[in-house]
Amino acid sequence: EVQLVESGGGLVQPGRSLRMSCTGSGFTFRDYHINWVRQAPGKGLEWVGFIRSKAYGGTTEDAASVKGRFTISRDDSKSIAYLQMNSLKTEDTAVYYCTRFYNGNYIDYWGQGTLVTVSS
Amino acid sequence: QSVLTQPPSVSAAPGQKVTISCSGSSSNIGNNYVSWYQQLPGTAPKLLIYDNNKRPSGIPDRFSGSKSATSATLGITGLQTGDEADYYCGTWDSSLSAWVFGGGTMLTVL
Repeated sequence: EVQLVESGGGLVQPGRSLRMSCTGSGFTFRDYHINWVRQAPGKGLEWVGFIRSKAYGGTTEDAASVKGRFTISRDDSKSIAYLQMNSLKTEDTAVYYCTRFYNGNYIDYWGQGTLVTVSS
Repeated sequence: QSVLTQPPSVSAAPGQKVTISCSGSSSNIGNNYVSWYQQLPGTAPKLLIYDNNKRPSGIPDRFSGSKSATSATLGITGLQTGDEADYYCGTWDSSLSAWVFGGGTMLTVL
């Protein structure tokens, strides 16, 4: 069974940093692109960015709203993807979902999501 | 404002059919596959339709997808109260080099 489990969310002050992890199981992690999606309270889904599998260069794409502040990386030996969030703003408050991104064409599996609250 | 435009809400009676539209442009829907996601209250989204009109294993054939030019449509027949959820379309935007979602449509089964 494919599973994606996020961890590392919580309360953080504006301007600070937070690193979230996404642990995958039930599939060959290194073969898949990993995507991050967020959802602010009461709002719709917003794409954050994704990291390609190493077979496709392991490069990343980021949404304009987080470019230069958020970085996605991966450690295939541990089946973990990371979302490093710097210079956090109150508008980054959201549930963050880790997802599997099938060939960059669609999101086939979602994690349960973890809440990040940016507040003083 | 979302790059993809969906109606904020739709409603229909149990047993009836409903369609949800998703309008975009040549840089997204017009040249890329569309997928649809269902988000039941308090849960993570789930894939409903991929590659415009394909259903993942376990998704009933009451759900269907279609695409024409720069628009896509999700159809749901035989509505059930358990279908009440938010529905999102999504696709890659080649101009933005970004994945884009529609703003979401809340389905109410009256």
